[in-house]
Amino acid sequence: EIVLTQSPGTLSVSPGERVTLSCRASQTVDNRYLAWYQQKPGQAPRLLIHATSNRATGLPDRFSARGSGTDFSLTISRLEPEDFAVYYCQQYGNSPRYSFGQGTNVEIK
Amino acid sequence: EVQLVESGGGLVEPGGSLRLSCAASGFAFNTYSMSWVRQAPGRGLEWVSSTTNIGDVTYYADAVKGRFTFSRDNSKNTLYLQMNSLRVEDTAIYYCQRLINGFFDYWGQGALVVVSS
Repeated sequence: EIVLTQSPGTLSVSPGERVTLSCRASQTVDNRYLAWYQQKPGQAPRLLIHATSNRATGLPDRFSARGSGTDFSLTISRLEPEDFAVYYCQQYGNSPRYSFGQGTNVEIK
Repeated sequence: EVQLVESGGGLVEPGGSLRLSCAASGFAFNTYSMSWVRQAPGRGLEWVSSTTNIGDVTYYADAVKGRFTFSRDNSKNTLYLQMNSLRVEDTAIYYCQRLINGFFDYWGQGALVVVSS
């Protein structure tokens, strides 16, 4: 079973700062099958990144992502007020078929 | 515009049943795999089930296998999640998604299911 562990659990930052969120897998994840989502309170999650580093349509280029094997990361270069949210990584594999990390909460300092 | 609209949520007693629906529009529904993901109150995301574009192969999370049935009606552009033998721990917001290449590109707004006596 592939387990995704995100760190840190909570990030307290100021607008304009740069943040990097980590997602570590218990087994190797195919780069084609690692995605990131953003969720704001009361809303459904929104796709940000697919296939490790490909931005979803319309996503600002302040969002970037990278990684391979078991270590993946999402970076927001300059936090805007609308970026404060919970971020989840997600993998597609065999067991379980799909799984999510527990989330990183990016909150205003 | 892609739209996914869930309905059918509500309050049900433990051991009871509920059927969720997800109406899709704005894309060629019968060419996409689809999925359900749930989120317990204050918790993270948990994959529930996925099915192929014609519903011939369906996968379930261990937590719901044997109790939930995921089906689709491509003539109505609608998904269904039949939930039987519901448990308190099934309480969650249930989201339907469009599934492509291992990720979920569009999500509905969710339907709340509360299992409580």
